[in-house]
Amino acid sequence: DQQVKQNSPSLSVQEGRISILNCDYTNSMFDYFLWYKKYPAEGPTFLISISSIKDKNEDGRFTVFLNKSAKHLSLHIVPSQPGDSAVYFCAASNFGNEKLTFGTGTRLTIIP
Amino acid sequence: EPEVTQTPSHQVTQMGQEVILRCVPISNHLYFYWYRQILGQKVEFLVSFYNNEISEKSEIFDDQFSVERPDGSNFTLKIRSTKLEDSAMYFCASKTQAQSMAGYTFGSGTRLTVV
Repeated sequence: DQQVKQNSPSLSVQEGRISILNCDYTNSMFDYFLWYKKYPAEGPTFLISISSIKDKNEDGRFTVFLNKSAKHLSLHIVPSQPGDSAVYFCAASNFGNEKLTFGTGTRLTIIP
Repeated sequence: EPEVTQTPSHQVTQMGQEVILRCVPISNHLYFYWYRQILGQKVEFLVSFYNNEISEKSEIFDDQFSVERPDGSNFTLKIRSTKLEDSAMYFCASKTQAQSMAGYTFGSGTRLTVV
């Protein structure tokens, strides 16, 4: 049951360039989407979120884009920094439901 | 910054044994959760807990699992008779109010190894 999919298990980006992480979902009931960052031996840390009434949300170097018709969201990090190297999880929820449904994650490596 | 604390960080147990994973959520949070991540797989929802009762649970959360908030500060996950396939990272999370999904705060996790 892969309601949230991250098709790229890994991504390498040069420092200073843009990192683009992608996520697709199948459940049209999802109306809130989040990105989490995870370092080894730590729990997921919230990065940025977007509700389905928007198509873009920006917070500093991080921007999330939502394309509801394509059931696709992406996280843009610009400029990428070495500290951004981590596993990034996309997650989704729907109103009235307290649980998060996670994707499988993308390991981002920033090359100095 | 307030954090969710989980103990132990690593637990090794023999198959068939009972194990209790402990969590101290952030003090003013009212909603509590357990998730798990089997190595190489996605983070999966197990159970949510509010007002001293389970509000939702997944198919994974069968009769061998239970949760408890015994003393108003700890939140525990008990696995009654562990199986090899229970080996995973278990994450506790809490948040302060409903519908503020961005307010989820996760602990660092307990790595459970069943041998």
